Amino acid sequence: ELKVEQNPLFLSMQEGKNYTIYCNYSTTSDRLYWYRQDPGKSLESLFVLLSNGAVKQEGRLMASLDTKARLSTLHITAAVHDLSATYFCAVDMNTDKLIFGTGTRLQVFP
Amino acid sequence: GAVVSQHPSRVICKSGTSVKIECRSLDFQATTMFWYRQFPKQSLMLMATSNEGSKATYEQGVEKDKFLINHASLTLSTLTVTSAHPEDSSFYICSAAGLETIIDGGYGYTFGSGTRLTVV
Repeated sequence: ELKVEQNPLFLSMQEGKNYTIYCNYSTTSDRLYWYRQDPGKSLESLFVLLSNGAVKQEGRLMASLDTKARLSTLHITAAVHDLSATYFCAVDMNTDKLIFGTGTRLQVFP
Repeated sequence: GAVVSQHPSRVICKSGTSVKIECRSLDFQATTMFWYRQFPKQSLMLMATSNEGSKATYEQGVEKDKFLINHASLTLSTLTVTSAHPEDSSFYICSAAGLETIIDGGYGYTFGSGTRLTVV
């Protein structure tokens, strides 16, 4: 059974600081997705990582994928309050369905 | 880009009644649709996968007689929660994928806006 674990589950960080969220998964997959969810809302797609070594950046967020280690990271640079949300990674099972990670609730304070 | 419309956004129903949630792909043909359930402060749990014209495939532990899924066309899938009870109260989210959403040989998934179901 595929397990997708994120850590930390909760992250409180000061504006301007950097931090990394980790996503570990238990079976082979070459496709990994990152999403953002605001309270009461659905998912916003952030990144699609399609191969080993893939790195994508958008604004203050950068995501990477290491398929050999079964690990993806979401790095936050110089956090701002607007980044406060819950972040999910999701692994494509190669049967074209997504299994979601446990989620990381990020709170950025002044 | 690909857009998925989900309705209603909120619904309150009495215990024992049935509720239907619709998920429509507006500008692409969704060959596959997925239904997720999310409890407060938890992750999304995949309930079932449906392909147009076929019976849905349910994940382990999901009652197929309780959560009826119909995917009769390439643009519409419905989830009906039958004989709803308070424990069915949750946030339900659909996702759709099709040929137009393929990225590098695999699906790009588009999510609906979600439905907040409250059973009283």
